[in-house]
Amino acid sequence: AQKITQTQPGMFVQEKEAVTLDCTYDTSDPSYGLFWYKQPSSGEMIFLIYQGSYDQQNATEGRYSLNFQKARKSANLVISASQLGDSAMYFCAMREGSRGGNQFYFGTGTSLTVIP
Amino acid sequence: DAGVIQSPRHEVTEMGQEVTLRCKPISGHNSLFWYRQTMMRGLELLIYFNNNVPIDDSGMPEDRFSAKMPNASFSTLKIQPSEPRDSAVYFCASSFREGQPQHFGDGTRLSIL
Repeated sequence: AQKITQTQPGMFVQEKEAVTLDCTYDTSDPSYGLFWYKQPSSGEMIFLIYQGSYDQQNATEGRYSLNFQKARKSANLVISASQLGDSAMYFCAMREGSRGGNQFYFGTGTSLTVIP
Repeated sequence: DAGVIQSPRHEVTEMGQEVTLRCKPISGHNSLFWYRQTMMRGLELLIYFNNNVPIDDSGMPEDRFSAKMPNASFSTLKIQPSEPRDSAVYFCASSFREGQPQHFGDGTRLSIL
């Protein structure tokens, strides 16, 4: 089974609207972390947001929030008030394990296009 | 603050040549990661270090690949001999501690002819 699944290869959103990028994960480890990264066309990888498996509240960072549903094993990224500069590839990633024995997995990404 | 610094940004070389990619992590970060990104395989973790010690190198594709971290501020990824299928973007990333968010360098775009 895939460790990280991003089922939306491409998404479109109107500028100023909100958009949700889906991510589901598979792990039996009680300790894990979930990350979202943005990769613009220029190629760099930009860290956006992090959610730990023991965190009680959903993570938020500015216009980014992570909709963490532990029972469903989903960690969707919500971008509010989309901007043209949000057009990029978005990768969901997971860290499972403990110190000295972590495994890291990345999804295949979702391409987001913001329409003016 | 300086981020993760990788060099070179681009490398084009002929098959069979030795390639060395370099990385300077963010000062104070204890974990360093090397990734490879291709269209076919996406982003793959090759190896990671904690406190300069290699922890997991199971992602290193073959013996032609080797990585070192001689000190806390420098790491290399070496391919010898290089092959066309090694063409990819290679990223280095670092994190304050293992398991915490990783900060990526700008990558090295490697083309093996």
